[in-house]
Amino acid sequence: NAGVTQTPKFQVLKTGQSMTLQCAQDMNHEYMSWYRQDPGMGLRLIHYSVGAGITDQGEVPNGYNVSRSTTEDFPLRLLSAAPSQTSVYFCASRHPVDPDEQYFGPGTRLTVT
Amino acid sequence: GEDVEQSLFLSVREGDSSVINCTYTDSSSTYLYWYKQEPGAGLQLLTYIFSNMDMKQDQRLTVLLNKKDKHLSLRIADTQTGDSAIYFCAEEGGSYIPTFGRGTSLIVHP
Repeated sequence: NAGVTQTPKFQVLKTGQSMTLQCAQDMNHEYMSWYRQDPGMGLRLIHYSVGAGITDQGEVPNGYNVSRSTTEDFPLRLLSAAPSQTSVYFCASRHPVDPDEQYFGPGTRLTVT
Repeated sequence: GEDVEQSLFLSVREGDSSVINCTYTDSSSTYLYWYKQEPGAGLQLLTYIFSNMDMKQDQRLTVLLNKKDKHLSLRIADTQTGDSAIYFCAEEGGSYIPTFGRGTSLIVHP
């Protein structure tokens, strides 16, 4: 299996533009989440999902939307990009019971000018 | 609220042991994790410990948990240059979503 995949790897946006960061996993994991990583800040949770059709907000949800129409896909939408959203975005998935079964994608580096 | 603290930097000589420390605040944590992030990559789960354990050993890695003091440590024996990375501590309660510390940059020099 391919694990967790994210596209694109890099993206540059102008302020006000919108875009969708894609995340997919082929392990049939119910739990998926989106984090942003900023220098010196660790990982902060944006949104998460515990199954298809179920999403919830994390620590820093403002300016982002998510949906979970299938178990495999969990896209993150930036509605109107702002320079404060310049960051590296990671998607993760995990098995609901087995803590060993958790994986992160390779990340999307986003710059908003 | 939940908070996870760890020191930002650690520098060791190749062949020495490294000890990375972490404190957390949520006494209801079920699992405590250590992740490794190499440059330009995502996080990789290194090891974890269940909250009712006080030690776990996995090859060169030893995790110690002091639940009373809410203190977690990761010891890497015989540290190699390939161990240079950022190490994240995280705790997880009933939500199954980890809360991360800010990461400790481990620098291994010859």
